Amino acid sequence: DQQVKQNSPSLSVQEGRISILNCDYTNSMFDYFLWYKKYPAEGPTFLISISSIKDKNEDGRFTVFLNKSAKHLSLHIVPSQPGDSAVYFCAASANSGGGADGLTFGKGTHLIIQP
Amino acid sequence: SQTIHQWPATLVQPVGSPLSLECTVEGTSNPNLYWYRQAAGRGLQLLFYSVGIGQISSEVPQNLSASRPQDRQFILSSKKLLLSDSGFYLCAWTRGVAKNIQYFGAGTRLSVL
Repeated sequence: DQQVKQNSPSLSVQEGRISILNCDYTNSMFDYFLWYKKYPAEGPTFLISISSIKDKNEDGRFTVFLNKSAKHLSLHIVPSQPGDSAVYFCAASANSGGGADGLTFGKGTHLIIQP
Repeated sequence: SQTIHQWPATLVQPVGSPLSLECTVEGTSNPNLYWYRQAAGRGLQLLFYSVGIGQISSEVPQNLSASRPQDRQFILSSKKLLLSDSGFYLCAWTRGVAKNIQYFGAGTRLSVL
């Protein structure tokens, strides 16, 4: 049973435009959500996170939106740059208070920025 | 600053051979440590986590085991590898304050033939 779903395996966006990556979750206990970026043959790099007490968090070109009622979050990248081409993973955790539990990851979306 | 090291970067092993992957963290103490695997076409799956020396929690029954002999050292092992053990293995750690932000090593690409 996949608790974190990224239904788009790939997404192609023109340079300078907005990239929107989507993620859905099923576990109501999740209260902390993260986005990671991964290049081939490298470990994932933390991008941005959001707690369930918020509905938006912004960091430079990256903004994450959380819709708790729909159990949906999205990552917006504006403007998209060639270096943004990578696989993006959505991840979630329960007990944002600092439990030791690992993260539950989606399968990832491969973002391709076209020049 | 904190850094995490994983080695080797690439490993090709025959079926039935043993495995030992090592992960070490520098610049912090008492981290939570994690082993994940990414199989082909799949997301990252949590295998083991550890909150302290000698303390290991297993998430998925499998042919693998983990050990934490020192505070900042985490080892993934197998006595006999299976074909299905092939994948990309990642070690991660969390800071003491923001425990849910996990920081990953560069990974080990394991091919079992």
